[in-house]
Amino acid sequence: ILNVEQSPQSLHVQEGDSTNFTCSFPSSNFYALHWYRWETAKSPEALFVMTLNGDEKKKGRISATLNTKEGYSYLYIKGSQPEDSATYLCAPSSASKIIFGSGTRLSIRP
Amino acid sequence: DSGVTQTPKHLITATGQRVTLRCSPRSGDLSVYWYQQSLDQGLQFLIHYYNGEERAKGNILERFSAQQFPDLHSELNLSSLELGDSALYFCASSVTSNWYQETQYFGPGTRLLVL
Repeated sequence: ILNVEQSPQSLHVQEGDSTNFTCSFPSSNFYALHWYRWETAKSPEALFVMTLNGDEKKKGRISATLNTKEGYSYLYIKGSQPEDSATYLCAPSSASKIIFGSGTRLSIRP
Repeated sequence: DSGVTQTPKHLITATGQRVTLRCSPRSGDLSVYWYQQSLDQGLQFLIHYYNGEERAKGNILERFSAQQFPDLHSELNLSSLELGDSALYFCASSVTSNWYQETQYFGPGTRLLVL
């Protein structure tokens, strides 16, 4: 796993709107895909770990899907709230390493 | 609060010096991971220890070393420090060595400034 891309780099969303962003990764040597939420001045907080193609996970208003064959994952946030403002990191892992993307910085406008 | 503790919170030192960062994992977790977050790069995986044994190495420089002790706490030693080593160093822990299946819990980090 060499190249992890997250898009967009940043996103400004109106409170109440739904949004989604993408994590792309090489599908070879893939074991799992981790999503983390990282608020300013805090430490990364795990959202999901997904391993199987077609996996879908949900935690409150946040959900994620995984396509291991084509090497991408989507993170969805429904009805954005100010507390959703954070950087969202994805990290595919193999047996020997984990590589973090540079993240999508989400800002929610009240 | 994840249950992972790191000390010190902040560290200021000079080039050429050596420092030790300490991490205590959550109770019951056997794996410890070290990460570096510098301004120009994202979160970089450095090294993984499981129950005292090194399991995986990432982008860790030869000047850096780590160990995990019998009580499961871990130390990251950084020597011959350079300006570019200034960064936020995170420790994370998980229950087993199967990081591809389980959540990692991050500590609050140690901010290192090399002058």
